[in-house]
Amino acid sequence: GQQLNQSPQSMFIQEGEDVSMNCTSSSIFNTWLWYKQDPGEGPVLLIALYKAGELTSNGRLTAQFGITRKDSFLNISASIPSDVGIYFCAGRASGTYKYIFGTGTRLKVLA
Amino acid sequence: DARVTQTPRHKVTEMGQEVTMRCQPILGHNTVFWYRQTMMQGLELLAYFRNRAPLDDSGMPKDRFSAEMPDATLATLKIQPSEPRDSAVYFCASAQTGDEQYFGPGTRLTVT
Repeated sequence: GQQLNQSPQSMFIQEGEDVSMNCTSSSIFNTWLWYKQDPGEGPVLLIALYKAGELTSNGRLTAQFGITRKDSFLNISASIPSDVGIYFCAGRASGTYKYIFGTGTRLKVLA
Repeated sequence: DARVTQTPRHKVTEMGQEVTMRCQPILGHNTVFWYRQTMMQGLELLAYFRNRAPLDDSGMPKDRFSAEMPDATLATLKIQPSEPRDSAVYFCASAQTGDEQYFGPGTRLTVT
């Protein structure tokens, strides 16, 4: 099935560093969601974005809805070991309830 | 603490057997989604319902998979007969308006 491109695929960072990841699509989306998945668990919703250019924060996490409506970005500031996991983006076009998911960014934080 | 619940959490079965997975969406949510997650394919949408009516099941192998919502508090995904290639983690997610989807913990299926 269709997937969104997420970048990077994986990253190792030092504790305390900031992290940036992005998600791109060939289609225009009306909604972007960002999730984090821990091993053996379901994805947990982090941030929802509904408008082009929108910037939304959740604690140390900040996500942006790209102005082209074909991309979205997630930043994590001052990473901590519990940030380890896989981060997924998901986009939804107008006229459907269906979300397309990204390929995931695997984050590993070195203490 | 409203959550999506799924049962069973783990299922090991032999090829050819019937498998039924159950999901209880968050109370008040009217849209329910079934996903399958594998290393190779990532998260794939199998089917989704709105107000208990199936809206799209194009992601599901029709010959062996079926999804139903007998009532607003229960969604089921059935595989009959199961095959080794069905081994994956199956997630249910629910949403109130179709926007913010909340996932359950998943059912890890192994078909031998």
